[in-house]
Amino acid sequence: SYVLTQPPSVSVAPGKTARITCGGNNIGSKSVHWYQQKPGQAPVLVIYYDSDRPSGIPERFSGSNSGNTATLTISRVEAGDEADYYCQVWDSSSDHAVFGGGTQLTVL
Amino acid sequence: EVQLVESGGGLVQPGGSLRLSCAASGFTFSSYEMNWVRQAPGKGLEWVSYISSSGSTIYYADSVKGRFTISRDNAKNSLYLQMNSLRAEDTAVYYCARDGRHRYFDYWGQGTLVTVSS
Repeated sequence: SYVLTQPPSVSVAPGKTARITCGGNNIGSKSVHWYQQKPGQAPVLVIYYDSDRPSGIPERFSGSNSGNTATLTISRVEAGDEADYYCQVWDSSSDHAVFGGGTQLTVL
Repeated sequence: EVQLVESGGGLVQPGGSLRLSCAASGFTFSSYEMNWVRQAPGKGLEWVSYISSSGSTIYYADSVKGRFTISRDNAKNSLYLQMNSLRAEDTAVYYCARDGRHRYFDYWGQGTLVTVSS
């Protein structure tokens, strides 16, 4: 089965740039989607199709995907961005959705 | 406004059954594929099952295949998850999630907690 690997935690100072990676075998050939989940809340889609933003998501959120790594980039980080972030793909060989293990973003 | 409201969670003994429901509103339910995703306490997200808009195509995670059954009633704008032979490891918050046209999840419900314990 397809595996997505994320760092357990990332820390960043306010106003700086946070980068959260998602590793997978030839992930660049798949569409990657990202979710933000704050404590006690349901996940929220923040990036789909590698780099598209749903309406209402700030431009500070961006994504890229190439080779074996997809990246979620959050520019000018704010305290309100502190959350868990999950990457996700659809594995067409098994017809399963796959999530990464999640990354806890801490704003220092 | 898109709304997904889950119900049916609760405490059940190992080996027991439970049926979750998800009431959808604010969009044309019959035009969208739907999913169930769960999250064990303190753990990450785990996809559970997918159903196409007509109900003709269904997929399950290996961990629930043969025990869970996803279904939908487009006339009632409702999604269901019948869970049988429940195990302690099925304890989780279960979310219904709308499929955003290509196997990503653009709207989520607030979740319903299922606890499997004796």
